[in-house]
Amino acid sequence: EDQVTQSPEALRLQEGESSSLNCSYTVSGLRGLFWYRQDPGKGPEFLFTLYSAGEEKEKERLKATLTKKESFLHITAPKPEDSATYLCAATGPRETSGSRLTFGEGTQLTVNP
Amino acid sequence: SQTIHQWPATLVQPVGSPLSLECTVEGTSNPNLYWYRQAAGRGLQLLFYSVGIGQISSEVPQNLSASRPQDRQFILSSKKLLLSDSGFYLCAWSRGSQETQYFGPGTRLLVL
Repeated sequence: EDQVTQSPEALRLQEGESSSLNCSYTVSGLRGLFWYRQDPGKGPEFLFTLYSAGEEKEKERLKATLTKKESFLHITAPKPEDSATYLCAATGPRETSGSRLTFGEGTQLTVNP
Repeated sequence: SQTIHQWPATLVQPVGSPLSLECTVEGTSNPNLYWYRQAAGRGLQLLFYSVGIGQISSEVPQNLSASRPQDRQFILSSKKLLLSDSGFYLCAWSRGSQETQYFGPGTRLLVL
């Protein structure tokens, strides 16, 4: 069974204090690893898709990386507006996972001014 | 560009009453469509997905059902709501050949 585990559950940072969020996955034949941002009371907003180990993608202060066992979301010099819950999801081969994404429980990030 | 709509945004229903939540997608054709439930604002649980009109796959046995009467319309229903059906319901879509899913704004359901 596919599993995705995110850590830490919650993270408090000061504005400008860089850090990383972790997403560990157990998915045979990973077909895609996804990062989403979710603000309170809203639907998840798509950030990145990573397909293979060694791949990196960046968007403003965020950079996502992927290894064979985990993914990291690096936040450089965060601002208060980066405060949100960050969700990680993974999917395996189409023959076994179909269109299914397995989500982690999320990391709630708070950036204090 | 593609847009996904859900309504209503918020719903308060008594136990035993029926439910109908609607999701529509604009700007694409033949999307894959998904219904998720999110409890306590954290992880998402896939409830149903559809790869075409009238084609519904159920992920978990429950009090809910889904239908896809039109290409870009996905409906989540219940004949009799339970307290445990309370939660945040999210609709998502993806292009048939791709895995990335895009989410709607969600419906907050409270069953009393």
